[in-house]
Amino acid sequence: QVQLKESGPGLVQPSQTLSLTCTVSGLSLTSNSVSWIRQPPGKGLEWMGVIWSNGGTDYNSAIKSRLSISRDTSKSQVFLKMNSLQTEDTAMYFCARREWWFDYWGQGVMVTVSS
Amino acid sequence: DIQMTQSPASLSASLGETVTIECRASEDIYNGLAWYQQKPGKSPQLLIYNANSLHTGVPSRFSGSGSGTQYSLKINSLQSEDVASYFCQQYYDYPFTFGSGTKLEIK
Repeated sequence: QVQLKESGPGLVQPSQTLSLTCTVSGLSLTSNSVSWIRQPPGKGLEWMGVIWSNGGTDYNSAIKSRLSISRDTSKSQVFLKMNSLQTEDTAMYFCARREWWFDYWGQGVMVTVSS
Repeated sequence: DIQMTQSPASLSASLGETVTIECRASEDIYNGLAWYQQKPGKSPQLLIYNANSLHTGVPSRFSGSGSGTQYSLKINSLQSEDVASYFCQQYYDYPFTFGSGTKLEIK
């Protein structure tokens, strides 16, 4: 069955770069898009960006200058990198399948930005 | 960006009741709307896409409707397992945006 699982550091220092990995199973990255969505504690959801099945990307313009999404299809992994982290980037980060609505989600990884 | 205004922010209802959650978009989103349920400590789960299409495995007591800028999620015969937060999301235009959520509790 389709599964996605996020992994990465739980704590990042301000101004540093966040690197997260989404490992998928039960689906091929060459025929499925994967999106990243985040949720600050107790708050709503923010769409961050998507990597399409053809490897193209689209990003939320609010964070586009800091964000990069890439993938390794041979390892079934999608990567998120975001630089210049600030405290307001503290959130649960989710990866999810699809490019418009999101039908399968990972469990999420909590990232805290703090010194 | 398209703003999604969701109401109410919280809702308390009795078991067996019917509840409705509304979402208003700041411009026409041409049925590019999804609804999600999120239980505490869990990831969101897709309920509805294309404004009124029920996702596989979702109970039929959930339904979506609307058009243009106004959309709603209806839950018939409220069950205890429906206690959760509910979010709408537009995918008509980038950046995709979510409503601020509705927290549903049992009275």
